[in-house]
Amino acid sequence: ILNVEQSPQSLHVQEGDSTNFTCSFPSSNFYALHWYRWETAKSPEALFVMTLNGDEKKKGRISATLNTKEGYSYLYIKGSQPEDSATYLCAFIGGAQKLVFGQGTRLTINP
Amino acid sequence: DAGITQSPRHKVTETGTPVTLRCHQTENHRYMYWYRQDPGHGLRLIHYSYGVKDTDKGEVSDGYSVSRSKTEDFLLTLESATSSQTSVYFCAISEAPAEAFFGQGTRLTVV
Repeated sequence: ILNVEQSPQSLHVQEGDSTNFTCSFPSSNFYALHWYRWETAKSPEALFVMTLNGDEKKKGRISATLNTKEGYSYLYIKGSQPEDSATYLCAFIGGAQKLVFGQGTRLTINP
Repeated sequence: DAGITQSPRHKVTETGTPVTLRCHQTENHRYMYWYRQDPGHGLRLIHYSYGVKDTDKGEVSDGYSVSRSKTEDFLLTLESATSSQTSVYFCAISEAPAEAFFGQGTRLTVV
């Protein structure tokens, strides 16, 4: 069983603060790492697709880094806004092309 | 929006009855996945397909079977539904390593 772990499981942050959370995954047979944003009553939507060690991606106030050698990725949100409240999922693709998700980090932004 | 639809969207069924959920895509993507969403578990992979008639098990495949006779359709069957299979089921499609696109979800209740 592929072990994809996210921490923390939930996070409460004040509006305007910056935050980050972690995804750890197997360091062997790496193919890709995805980050998704999942709002309540909707379907997950992709934020980033990362394929190379050292990748850094950015979209507005959200950015992500990737370390495939040690098996972790960080997602950063700068200057949190209430609309950032959601569950953030990471997903690992290994040699078998399975897309395996972590359990998610539920982020709540307090106004 | 990616062309992916799930049917039915909601279903209530009795314990012991067979149930089939359908995922239909118009994107000609190679990979198709079935997940279940339960509180505290994020998205858990049930089965996935990497081509017509090519399928493999995920982490929670017991009690489920799948079939893919055409590129566009991926069927998930519960041979004899149990209450533990009450969940929200999501289908996803992708051309790995690119991002996955999700259906709207099917809420299944087994009574």
